[in-house]
Amino acid sequence: AQSVTQPDIHITVSEGASLELRCNYSYGATPYLFWYVQSPGQGLQLLLKYFSGDTLVQGIKGFEAEFKRSQSSFNLRKPSVHWSDAAEYFCAVGAYQAGTALIFGKGTTLSVSS
Amino acid sequence: GAVVSQHPSRVICKSGTSVKIECRSLDFQATTMFWYRQFPKQSLMLMATSNEGSKATYEQGVEKDKFLINHASLTLSTLTVTSAHPEDSSFYICSAREGTSGAYNEQFFGPGTRLTVL
Repeated sequence: AQSVTQPDIHITVSEGASLELRCNYSYGATPYLFWYVQSPGQGLQLLLKYFSGDTLVQGIKGFEAEFKRSQSSFNLRKPSVHWSDAAEYFCAVGAYQAGTALIFGKGTTLSVSS
Repeated sequence: GAVVSQHPSRVICKSGTSVKIECRSLDFQATTMFWYRQFPKQSLMLMATSNEGSKATYEQGVEKDKFLINHASLTLSTLTVTSAHPEDSSFYICSAREGTSGAYNEQFFGPGTRLTVL
């Protein structure tokens, strides 16, 4: 079955510290991978995406993610977290076929302490 | 990236009434549109997939008679929550993809509609 697992429900990081959010996927086809961020009461904002090529992708707001096919992972990282990064983060996987929808993980809530 | 709009952004209605939510792709033709539902502090759950001019395909457990989806044009899809009840209160997010071949067609998301049923 196709699925996305985000093992960490809630993470607290000190401001200025590094961050890594984990994402593992199970997908039968070639995966197209995404990370989205959502602030309370708001819609989704795309942070970054991986389609093919270089397995380390850069996104907005200083985020990056690394695709590791052997581990079926697409972990999100940021070297130095800012208080404004506190939000909900969703990993998602999709397929090439036009009629297929993205499948989302359950999300990880990031809290930033001062 | 492409823009998807939703209207209204917030709606409050009485129990038993019907509510229509519009989703529009503003600068591309959306062959496929998706409707998701998000409960507080939870993930997005796919409700249905609709292709322009054909009936929507609903996910297991989603009542098609309660959540009516119409995808009448390549830029507009509507979700009507019929006879709404408090348990239908949720955040509804639409998404759209182009259908051009030869490349991956990214899925673009609307800003969401907050439905509150009293």
